[in-house]
Amino acid sequence: GENVEQHPSTLSVQEGDSAVIKCTYSDSASNYFPWYKQELGKRPQLIIDIRSNVGEKKDQRIAVTLNKTAKHFSLHITETQPEDSAVYFCAACMSSSNSGYALNFGKGTSLLVTP
Amino acid sequence: ETGVTQSPTHLIKTRGQQVTLRCSSQSGHNTVSWYQQALGQGPQFIFQYYREEENGRGNFPPRFSGLQFPNYSSELNVNALELDDSALYLCASSSGGNTNYGYTFGSGTRLTVV
Repeated sequence: GENVEQHPSTLSVQEGDSAVIKCTYSDSASNYFPWYKQELGKRPQLIIDIRSNVGEKKDQRIAVTLNKTAKHFSLHITETQPEDSAVYFCAACMSSSNSGYALNFGKGTSLLVTP
Repeated sequence: ETGVTQSPTHLIKTRGQQVTLRCSSQSGHNTVSWYQQALGQGPQFIFQYYREEENGRGNFPPRFSGLQFPNYSSELNVNALELDDSALYLCASSSGGNTNYGYTFGSGTRLTVV
C-alpha cells in the first residue's frame, strides 16, 4: 500500500519567515495530494491540494509543488504569521477498486511561528 | 460551519464494550469515510461508504464495521473495544465514490477506552 513520509516532525520559525514541509510517497499511481491544517482540538481543514497533472499551485501565501518523478511534494508558507501555528498533514491518494478513495496521511509537522 | 456533524463529541467506554459513532454528511455529499487518529499521529483510513455500500477498507479488523443510510449519514461500530482503540474518530464526506474531490472533515468523536 501507499506509504507517506513527512519531514520535519517539528518546525519553528520567526514571524515573517518562510516554512517548508516535505513529503514523499511510495505509490506512483497516487494522483491527488492534499494538505491539511489541524489546530489543537479541531478538525483537519484542507488548505491546498494538487493533482498529478500539475507541478505547482499557489494560493496567496501558500504554495505546493509536486515532483512526480521523485515522488515528493512540498508545502511552502511565506510571510508566516502566529496564526499559522498548527499541525500540518500531507496526504496522498489513489482511487482503486479495493481502497476506494482513501487518503494516506503523513505523521504531521507541528509548526510554531514565534512573534 | 463545515456541514459534517459527528456525535457524540466525547465518549468513555470500558474494554470489551461496543460503541456506535454517528456522522451526518455535508449536504450534496454521497460518500462518507471514517478515519482513526491516535494522539500525535496522522489519521488512518478505516473504510469508506458510497451509496450505502462499503467502497474500500483500510487495515482494520472486522470488529470495526459501518453502515451508510439512504440520506448518506453513516455509523461506525466497534465491537470488543481494546485500550488501543482510544483515539479521535473522524468522519469525512465527499462527492463521488472514486473521484478525487476534497474531503470535508467533521470535528470528530474522542473515544477513550478504560
